[in-house]
Amino acid sequence: AQSVTQPDIHITVSEGASLELRCNYSYGATPYLFWYVQSPGQGLQLLLKYFSGDTLVQGIKGFEAEFKRSQSSFNLRKPSVHWSDAAEYFCAGLTGGGNKLTFGTGTQLKVEL
Amino acid sequence: DARVTQTPRHKVTEMGQEVTMRCQPILGHNTVFWYRQTMMQGLELLAYFRNRAPLDDSGMPKDRFSAEMPDATLATLKIQPSEPRDSAVYFCASGLSRRGLNRGSYGYTFGSGTRLTVV
Repeated sequence: AQSVTQPDIHITVSEGASLELRCNYSYGATPYLFWYVQSPGQGLQLLLKYFSGDTLVQGIKGFEAEFKRSQSSFNLRKPSVHWSDAAEYFCAGLTGGGNKLTFGTGTQLKVEL
Repeated sequence: DARVTQTPRHKVTEMGQEVTMRCQPILGHNTVFWYRQTMMQGLELLAYFRNRAPLDDSGMPKDRFSAEMPDATLATLKIQPSEPRDSAVYFCASGLSRRGLNRGSYGYTFGSGTRLTVV
């Protein structure tokens, strides 16, 4: 089945450290992939999206993600994490003819001061 | 900024009562999703519409849930009768999807959700 997988349920990093959150996808064709962030009690905010072209995608809040077809991955990165980045992060992909957005299980990020 | 508006933000109801959640998608968006989020199941897709037509509602318990789009500015999700296991946060999202080479408009905007508690 077409899906995205986030292997890490929880990640803890120190403020100022670099961050990489993993996402693997399983799609037959080139997928459309997204990263969303959810702060406690809030909705989901789109960080960035990938459709085609450049495999390194820049997003908001200093985040970027790299699409690697050979590894079926779309990992989210940030060079220096801020305490305000603590939240839950979801990878998502488009299926079903390009309309049906399905989500991974999420990675909870904790930032230590 | 354009936003997806969901009402109510919070709802507490007794088991067996009808619950209606509303969503106002962003003007001009033609695709609307309903998701349910729980600790145990994460984000589950309940139903989605394109151009007001239901494309997939396989994620919904058909006996008690129904989703409609009476017009382009309103999507509703109803639960009748409600049960304690329906307690969750329900999110609506809207987006603009179209075929063709230019698909840069993909990317869906989420509302703030309706937190439903059934007691």
